[in-house]
Amino acid sequence: SYVLTQPPSVSVAPGQTARITCGGNNIGSKSVHWYQQKPGQAPVLVVYDDSDRPSGIPERFSGSNSGNTATLTISRVEAGDEADYYCQVWDSSSDHPGVVFGGGTKLTVL
Amino acid sequence: EVQLVESGGGLVQPGRSLRLSCAASGFTFDDYAMHWVRQAPGKGLEWVSGISWNSGSIGYADSVKGRFTISRDNAKNSLYLQMNSLRAEDTALYYCAKDMEVACSSGGSCYIFDYWGQGTLVTVSS
Repeated sequence: SYVLTQPPSVSVAPGQTARITCGGNNIGSKSVHWYQQKPGQAPVLVVYDDSDRPSGIPERFSGSNSGNTATLTISRVEAGDEADYYCQVWDSSSDHPGVVFGGGTKLTVL
Repeated sequence: EVQLVESGGGLVQPGRSLRLSCAASGFTFDDYAMHWVRQAPGKGLEWVSGISWNSGSIGYADSVKGRFTISRDNAKNSLYLQMNSLRAEDTALYYCAKDMEVACSSGGSCYIFDYWGQGTLVTVSS
């Protein structure tokens, strides 16, 4: 089955730029979505279809996807961005198509 | 305002059954596919199952195939998950999620979850 690999943790100082990667075999051929989950809360969609933002999500959140790596970029990081972030794709390439999530990345704002 | 409210969770013994429900409001329920996603304590997200707007297309994760059954009642704006032969590893917070139903640049199915409920906790233990 398809595997998405995320770094367990990323740390960044306030005001700086955070980049969270999501690795997968030829992930550039798929559409990648990103979710933010704060402690005790349900996930929130922050980027979909590689680089689109749902209404209400700040422009500071952006995404890109090419080759074997998709990236969620958070500019001008704020304390309130501290959360777990998950990437997600639909994998139709295997014998068992289905939704796949990455293992999640904990973003720490120093 | 879109609202998804899950119910039906609880403590259940291994091998027993449980039925989860998700009450939807604030959108035209029968226009959208719906999904169940779970999260074991301290772990990441795992897609469990999804169902199209008319129940014509249904999918399951390998981990629950043959044991769980997803269904919906569009007249009641409700989504269900019948869970049989429960195992300890099914212990998790179960979220109901709405599919965004947009076309993706990569083509084909997209499966984007734009709204989530707060979840209902299922604990499988003797």
